[in-house]
Amino acid sequence: GENVEQHPSTLSVQEGDSAVIKCTYSDSASNYFPWYKQELGKRPQLIIDIRSNVGEKKDQRIAVTLNKTAKHFSLHITETQPVDSAVYFCAASLTGNQFYFGTGTSLTVIP
Amino acid sequence: DAGVIQSPRHEVTEMGQEVTLRCKPISGHDYLFWYRQTMMRGLELLIYFNNNVPIDDSGMPEDRFSAKMPNASFSTLKIQPSEPRDSAVYFCASSPRLGLGGELFFGEGSRLTVL
Repeated sequence: GENVEQHPSTLSVQEGDSAVIKCTYSDSASNYFPWYKQELGKRPQLIIDIRSNVGEKKDQRIAVTLNKTAKHFSLHITETQPVDSAVYFCAASLTGNQFYFGTGTSLTVIP
Repeated sequence: DAGVIQSPRHEVTEMGQEVTLRCKPISGHDYLFWYRQTMMRGLELLIYFNNNVPIDDSGMPEDRFSAKMPNASFSTLKIQPSEPRDSAVYFCASSPRLGLGGELFFGEGSRLTVL
């Protein structure tokens, strides 16, 4: 099955700085890569996703990039705010198959 | 729709006791997943169903765990007997499809503590 690795496991940034979280996957057939954000004590929720036919996608302060050749994808958060503090999970999926999650990155934005 | 509904939200039990966690998926979603979340391992898929049929249960840790989905609106995850290492947050999630565009909608989770 698919294997998704996520780094770093913890990340602290100053408010206003950028944060980058990286994931690698093993199955070159995977074609869908969502990112979920989990605030403390809450449920994970989808914040952005990217499909394998796209190299980059942006939504306001967040963006995701995908490198199919290297089999890695990254989440970029610019102008970080304290509300961005949460655990972020990347995932990889193949159409018709289950979601495989990374182990999560705990992001702390220091005011 | 009220979203995915899980119960109980918190469960504290003693080792050896039976634990039953319940989930009501979003109406119309054909896929239902059970995940376990721990600090060490993050989100682990235990089992998932498609149209009430278990598709992949390879993540179920051992025979002490069992899951059922008797109908499209209800699923249970049972642990019998429970052990302290089962302590975790158990999430149920549903999705209208897998892969492209298949967003997972999570419930609030059931926090299980086994003493």
